[in-house]
Amino acid sequence: SQQGEEDPQALSIQEGENATMNCSYKTSINNLQWYRQNSGRGLVHLILIRSNEREKHSGRLRVTLDTSKKSSSLLITASRAADTASYFCGPNTGNQFYFGTGTSLTVIP
Amino acid sequence: DTEVTQTPKHLVMGMTNKKSLKCEQHMGHRAMYWYKQKAKKPPELMFVYSYEKLSINESVPSRFSPECPNSSLLNLHLHALQPEDSALYLCASSQQDWQPQHFGDGTRLSIL
Repeated sequence: SQQGEEDPQALSIQEGENATMNCSYKTSINNLQWYRQNSGRGLVHLILIRSNEREKHSGRLRVTLDTSKKSSSLLITASRAADTASYFCGPNTGNQFYFGTGTSLTVIP
Repeated sequence: DTEVTQTPKHLVMGMTNKKSLKCEQHMGHRAMYWYKQKAKKPPELMFVYSYEKLSINESVPSRFSPECPNSSLLNLHLHALQPEDSALYLCASSQQDWQPQHFGDGTRLSIL
C-alpha cells in the first residue's frame, strides 16, 4: 500500500495552543496534499506542497516536507474550536494518490 | 456550500435492491472520483474517471458499477450489496488527475 501514515492518531489541545500532526509515506512523490474533514462532511483541501518545496504557509497553517525522510508535518497555530476535525495527508506520486490514516484533532474551548 | 453535489444524502436499501448514487459538478473539472469511507478511517479510492473515461478501478466488486454520462455527472450504480458495504460514499472532482480535489458531502449508505 502507498498509504501515508499519520501520527498522532488523536490529539486534544486547548484553544489557542498549536497543533502538530505528522505524515510519513513510502515512495517518491510529486506533491503532498493536506485535507480537513469535519464530522459528517466531505473533505476540504487545505494546502499542497510540491516535492521541491520544504515549507509552505497558508494563514495559520504551516506545512513542511522532508523528502529525504519521506515525511511531512502540518502545524496549526493559535488553534480554535472550529479547527476540531480529522486531518488527512495525501501523498501524490503522479499516478497514485492515497490518503493517510488521519489525525483526529479536538480543540477544547 | 460545497461545489460538488451528491444525492441522496442518506440511503437505506436491502441486499436485493438496485439503487444509484449521483454526483454533479459544474467547475469544468476533468477528473472525478468515487471513494468509500468507513467510520474513523480514511477515504478509500474506488474509481477514477479522467476525461469521462474510467482510468482506475481499485479492484472494486462488480456489485458497484460506475458511470460517467458527461463531464459534469458521475453515477455509482449499486446492486446486490452486502452489509459490509454500509459506509459514506464520497464523490470528488479536480481539474486534472490528482490535483487538489473538491469533495461532496457524501451519501451515507446503510445496507439492511
